[in-house]
Amino acid sequence: DTEVTQTPKHLVMGMTNKKSLKCEQHMGHRAMYWYKQKAKKPPELMFVYSYEKLSINESVPSRFSPECPNSSLLNLHLHALQPEDSALYLCASSQPTEGRGRYGYTFGSGTRLTVV
Amino acid sequence: GDSVTQMEGPVTLSEEAFLTINCTYTATGYPSLFWYVQYPGEGLQLLLKATKADDKGSNKGFEATYRKETTSFHLEKGSVQVSDSAVYFCALSDHPMGNYQLIWGAGTKLIIKP
Repeated sequence: DTEVTQTPKHLVMGMTNKKSLKCEQHMGHRAMYWYKQKAKKPPELMFVYSYEKLSINESVPSRFSPECPNSSLLNLHLHALQPEDSALYLCASSQPTEGRGRYGYTFGSGTRLTVV
Repeated sequence: GDSVTQMEGPVTLSEEAFLTINCTYTATGYPSLFWYVQYPGEGLQLLLKATKADDKGSNKGFEATYRKETTSFHLEKGSVQVSDSAVYFCALSDHPMGNYQLIWGAGTKLIIKP
């Protein structure tokens, strides 16, 4: 299995809702990432988990809360989002200790989030 | 800090034309270089990569050579198809060990007309 699976593919939520994005991989990768991508822009790193521990938080607002329950799963809990948070949210995975990133990341197909 | 510069798009070509998308980089270390492709409405796919000078990455008819002397990693394809229409991102990774982060170019939109 060489895929990263993200659910749901599309999500519309109100500003008072609580929702979660899910990401799963079975490649044995021990680093997992959340990215945010606005239209026509490169992805922006949000969070990095290494061996199920949060290692990087790129100053993301607290209305985004990541969770890594085990080595295969990554969640992003959403609460009280703003319309400007509407974007494509991408999950990715990689081996964390492979030197200069020889193998690249494997990305999921993303969740397209619309906040109304 | 490290950075990646790509040619601005959109790049519009006719089917079967030759494609070049320029990418240059600055890095303090000895980076690995990548091209990712994003088809409309989809996530990112790793297209090809190179980890040391003079390496050539190739996939699906696309090629790019890691040129340390010119700090470049230009993407080429000899004969493009309509299905190649997508956004192409050049990226580098410059961390020697542990988790690594990708530094992204701005992306180049490619439009292929039949």
